[in-house]
Amino acid sequence: DADVTQTPRNRITKTGKRIMLECSQTKGHDRMYWYRQDPGLGLQLIYYSFDVKDINKGEISDGYSVSRQAQAKFSLSLESAIPNQTALYFCATSRGPNTGELFFGEGSRLTVL
Amino acid sequence: AQKITQTQPGMFVQEKEAVTLDCTFDTSDQSYGLFWYKQPSSGEMIFLIYQGSYDEQNATEGRYSLNFQKARKSANLVISASQLGDSAMYFCAMRPPSGYSTLTFGKGTMLLVSP
Repeated sequence: DADVTQTPRNRITKTGKRIMLECSQTKGHDRMYWYRQDPGLGLQLIYYSFDVKDINKGEISDGYSVSRQAQAKFSLSLESAIPNQTALYFCATSRGPNTGELFFGEGSRLTVL
Repeated sequence: AQKITQTQPGMFVQEKEAVTLDCTFDTSDQSYGLFWYKQPSSGEMIFLIYQGSYDEQNATEGRYSLNFQKARKSANLVISASQLGDSAMYFCAMRPPSGYSTLTFGKGTMLLVSP
């Protein structure tokens, strides 16, 4: 089983619908992240959390919200999905400061029609 | 703020040859980390190699090496003896100084290895 698990792996939805992408990890890491990947743009940071009580906006947080339900769980929500949120979404974890290496989930491909 | 630039949208190499993927970065920090990730067509992100800004030697991991030139602010990935399975998207990324371990990614380089 993957150490960082994302659900769903693929989702097609309609404009205006609420969508939640879930991430759970068994690595015991405190730090969790949500990134978005668009073709030609690399990965952009949406939100990150360094512990259960810590939530921080990344560079493209507008239109998204997150919830850190437990050390192992970090969910990303699109309250009212729009077509330009069609992308590949990655959850990632890291051990702590000065390490930096991110451990990624397998990605969630979201299509908003 | 950090900025990562990968100027090569695509690269072609023949099997068994070496290839260099370019990465330049812009930061005013003295302490930082540099990473390379591989993304095959299946989509997962695979960590390849890490270089700390104070590391005295260039990092190597098997067929991967990182050509770190601090003054030029470059961190090129060198893949020796390319294999067909190396065909993938490659991302360079940077971590800022301690405390905030968010990575900033470049836009990536698509590498195609031909027989």
